[in-house]
Amino acid sequence: NAGVTQTPKFQVLKTGQSMTLQCAQDMNHEYMSWYRQDPGMGLRLIHYSVGAGITDQGEVPNGYNVSRSTTEDFPLRLLSAAPSQTSVYFCASSSGGQGKTEAFFGQGTRLTVV
Amino acid sequence: AQKVTQAQTEISVVEKEDVTLDCVYETRDTTYYLFWYKQPPSGELVFLIRRNSFDEQNEISGRYSWNFQKSTSSFNFTITASQVVDSAVYFCALSEASSGNQFYFGTGTSLTVIP
Repeated sequence: NAGVTQTPKFQVLKTGQSMTLQCAQDMNHEYMSWYRQDPGMGLRLIHYSVGAGITDQGEVPNGYNVSRSTTEDFPLRLLSAAPSQTSVYFCASSSGGQGKTEAFFGQGTRLTVV
Repeated sequence: AQKVTQAQTEISVVEKEDVTLDCVYETRDTTYYLFWYKQPPSGELVFLIRRNSFDEQNEISGRYSWNFQKSTSSFNFTITASQVVDSAVYFCALSEASSGNQFYFGTGTSLTVIP
């Protein structure tokens, strides 16, 4: 079972470059989200989607864009990378709304911006 | 304000000792959900348990047990007879019915089990 698949696993960017982190799930989950994990800060929500065509901002959305054209895919775009965006990024999906069910996470993308 | 507080940043125990990881949450919702996740050194996030606000029953699963107390807004996690494989970072998380699918995570507790 693939579950939630993130690519790439590792990425190094130069300041100012743009890139897209890919996330795909094969569980037909309506809810998908992106988190970043920084030392000592836990996971913080960047953007989330409650279904195809619907996205919303989380706690730390600045510098990131998302779209949800299909149920399966939820890419995260960094518009102009900054060193402050060095982090580990996790994509998650869940089947129930309002946190009724657990979120399943991808393996993470470790991003370094130099 | 932090919605989920895990005051213990790092804990070390000797193998076979019991250890309790604390989690205190803050919410005004009457309907909410609490979760524990494990992040081993390999980095993935593994779901351990979900609890809704209407179910205060404690739960035991093998060596793991969870104590949910609404009176103190706590959802503590105990590992009995710890093993080296329990070494990981453990996250407590909260989701409120009023805020949709948003999870609020604590800052995590890093547990090291010494053989």
